[in-house]
Amino acid sequence: NAGVTQTPKFQVLKTGQSMTLQCAQDMNHNSMYWYRQDPGMGLRLIYYSASEGTTDKGEVPNGYNVSRLNKREFSLRLESAAPSQTSVYFCASSEPGLGETQYFGPGTRLLVL
Amino acid sequence: DAKTTQPPSMDCAEGRAANLPCNHSTISGNEYVYWYRQIHSQGPQYIIHGLKNNETNEMASLIITEDRKSSTLILPHATLRDTAVYYCIVRTFTQGGSEKLVFGKGMKLTVNP
Repeated sequence: NAGVTQTPKFQVLKTGQSMTLQCAQDMNHNSMYWYRQDPGMGLRLIYYSASEGTTDKGEVPNGYNVSRLNKREFSLRLESAAPSQTSVYFCASSEPGLGETQYFGPGTRLLVL
Repeated sequence: DAKTTQPPSMDCAEGRAANLPCNHSTISGNEYVYWYRQIHSQGPQYIIHGLKNNETNEMASLIITEDRKSSTLILPHATLRDTAVYYCIVRTFTQGGSEKLVFGKGMKLTVNP
């Protein structure tokens, strides 16, 4: 039972390049989330997916797109990377309901030059 | 905006109890208090949550005041591995759908040998 996995672990991009961050969970959770964390800051929600086939914007969605490919997978795409998107990206999943807790992946460290 | 206030940092001696305070004076009747921690840039880890009553699990205890305006997370016997940033979060419970965790800056706990 791997929990939440993310690929890649680390990536360097040039300004204007595109890339997709992958996230998968094996806990059969309905909800999945993408957060970013800048140095010395808490996490900020980018997008979330309440269930397969639905996605909604979070606090900082500009410059990102997401796809809920199936119940297991939730990807985050940067179409044209900017230096301001240099951050650590965390994916999480949860099962909605009483006592819902989110389980986080190990993160992807992205550097945009 | 985070609905909670935590001191920025705290030190604790190894083997002693660590008492981590959190103020949430604007908490509503159906809002839960959650605690997560983040160890050195890893993904956040769920610790415990509660509504009104005190809660205990294998990791920690959560003491919520009667007026629910503040709470304390207690790590009964702190170890060096408990050094982390601790986040106190107020979450609204809803049935179905997703809920968003609003992370503040958290509180850095340093456990000293």
